[in-house]
Amino acid sequence: AQSVTQLDSQVPVFEEAPVELRCNYSSSVSVYLFWYVQYPNQGLQLLLKYLSGSTLVESINGFEAEFNKSQTSFHLRKPSVHISDTAEYFCAVGNSGYSTLTFGKGTMLLVSP
Amino acid sequence: DVKVTQSSRYLVKRTGEKVFLECVQDMDHENMFWYRQDPGLGLRLIYFSYDVKMKEKGDIPEGYSVSREKKERFSLILESASTNQTSMYLCASSLYGFNQPQHFGDGTRLSIL
Repeated sequence: AQSVTQLDSQVPVFEEAPVELRCNYSSSVSVYLFWYVQYPNQGLQLLLKYLSGSTLVESINGFEAEFNKSQTSFHLRKPSVHISDTAEYFCAVGNSGYSTLTFGKGTMLLVSP
Repeated sequence: DVKVTQSSRYLVKRTGEKVFLECVQDMDHENMFWYRQDPGLGLRLIYFSYDVKMKEKGDIPEGYSVSREKKERFSLILESASTNQTSMYLCASSLYGFNQPQHFGDGTRLSIL
């Protein structure tokens, strides 16, 4: 079985502060990990993905995530957030034993001035 | 860019009606998915399809059916709508393979009165 836990349902931060959104997974085989972002009234957009290779992956808008196999985590970080980063963020896991991805329940990032 | 188009952004139907939600993708993807999204529950997979006329049940298929007569189109059918099916419905598509990211439509917010 595979599962994803996003420990925080909401994370409030001030603009220009750093943020970390936590994601832990469980899987018995090698995994593939994804972060998606959902802006209000829109579908999910792929933010970044880990398939293999370097454990640190980056997105074009300043987010990064690090795959940590020993801690079974894939936390999302940004050193300085903007108001426009306010959105819901979903972590997802896939592996060779399943045809589909399993999504976490989401973390709402609320950035205030 | 992949485009996944859902036929309606907002839909209001009555209890007992048969409801059709349509989804079209333009990238020749093999896989297509239907999710429902509810506050606090994240994304839950209803059905997916990995080829024309093929379908697999997801985590919550009860009360739903699907149809995939053409590769680019995947329809979700509520056989007899009930109020507990009021939700946001998201369609997604991907290339075949367990490590492929999914591309989402903007969603259909369905209200059953």
